[in-house]
Amino acid sequence: KAGVTQTPRYLIKTRGQQVTLSCSPISGHRSVSWYQQTPGQGLQFLFEYFSETQRNKGNFPGRFSGRQFSNSRSEMNVSTLELGDSALYLCASSRLQGTEQYFGPGTRLTVT
Amino acid sequence: GESVGLHLPTLSVQEGDNSIINCAYSNSASDYFIWYKQESGKGPQFIIDIRSNMDKRQGQRVTVLLNKTVKHLSLQIAATQPGDSAVYFCAETENTGGFKTIFGAGTRLFVKA
Repeated sequence: KAGVTQTPRYLIKTRGQQVTLSCSPISGHRSVSWYQQTPGQGLQFLFEYFSETQRNKGNFPGRFSGRQFSNSRSEMNVSTLELGDSALYLCASSRLQGTEQYFGPGTRLTVT
Repeated sequence: GESVGLHLPTLSVQEGDNSIINCAYSNSASDYFIWYKQESGKGPQFIIDIRSNMDKRQGQRVTVLLNKTVKHLSLQIAATQPGDSAVYFCAETENTGGFKTIFGAGTRLFVKA
């Protein structure tokens, strides 16, 4: 069974631009969560999607948004990028809400 | 954004010894706990989980202990191997209608050959 895939793996953007990251969960998994990982703040929860609905959201500004499609694939978008948005963005899928999550390799975003 | 701690402690053990990694969680309403292992350049990898109605769960070479009274979680790795060298994260999940998972700061494990 294929694991969680994330595209792109690496991305360089300029301040003020916007970016869209994509996540394909493990087949049959319906819950997708997104996390931001930085050396200073560690792993921080962004949001969780289940059945195309955002079920929970972390304490991030409205510039961070996401969505989930009917095939459970998910995208997250960051608008008006800031230098502090440079991070590894991780997507995790689980078969159901509240069960073990399986992570993708992440998208490394660098904002210059 | 939320996080549990900023300091990344380090644990160094000899190959073959047992390792114990500790974690203090923050939310008494959390009902599901997970340990993850993250190697350099990779996403976190699920190791073992435990629900709040249990206090111990064993896997292959790993045991998780949960003490809800003091909000403490530990991961025990038996016969630690060089391949166990990684950063280990504990995570707590609360069901608030949606599920929100909060990760600890992580502990770096070094295994000396």
